[in-house]
Amino acid sequence: AQSVTQLGSHVSVSEGALVLLRCNYSSSVPPYLFWYVQYPNQGLQLLLKYTTGATLVKGINGFEAEFKKSETSFHLTKPSAHMSDAAEYFCAVSETSGTYKYIFGTGTRLKVLA
Amino acid sequence: ETGVTQTPRHLVMGMTNKKSLKCEQHLGHNAMYWYKQSAKKPLELMFVYSLEERVENNSVPSRFSPECPNSSHLFLHLHTLQPEDSALYLCASSQELGLNQPQHFGDGTRLSIL
Repeated sequence: AQSVTQLGSHVSVSEGALVLLRCNYSSSVPPYLFWYVQYPNQGLQLLLKYTTGATLVKGINGFEAEFKKSETSFHLTKPSAHMSDAAEYFCAVSETSGTYKYIFGTGTRLKVLA
Repeated sequence: ETGVTQTPRHLVMGMTNKKSLKCEQHLGHNAMYWYKQSAKKPLELMFVYSLEERVENNSVPSRFSPECPNSSHLFLHLHTLQPEDSALYLCASSQELGLNQPQHFGDGTRLSIL
């Protein structure tokens, strides 16, 4: 069965610094992978997704993620953090057993320091 | 109005009460979902509907009863809940039921059980 691991429940970066949020998955077949962001008192918003094709995926708000099959990783990056990036970020992999489920990670809360 | 709208945003109820959560999507999507989000736990999928037919019941206790009268509306009927049911309940929708379909989330209903 698929699973998702997000390393670091809390990450702090300075404004203008590189953002790196880690996501590793386990899957016996090529997965579909997603990153979502959740701002306080809001639902989840899709940042980007990988289905097939190019392994470097660009999303909204300057974020991108690279699918690395050999490392079973899908880390999220942004070259320069902004105060408005402070939120919780969730990695998800789609269940491939035909039940149409997403498996979500436990989330990483990003704090941006002035 | 666009997107996925959930009402109420906050709900406090006693264990013997009956209440309902409402979700409405204005995206023309055919699939809808209920999730439970608890602190420090991954999102838990509760129910999945496709074209108003329930296709997934993820071992949810019977005190939670979903209803999907049409493809735009989804309800979660609650009765005799337990304190551990206190959580954020998120509704989501997707164009179709499929593994590469991104889900669009509402802002959730924060439920507190006294």
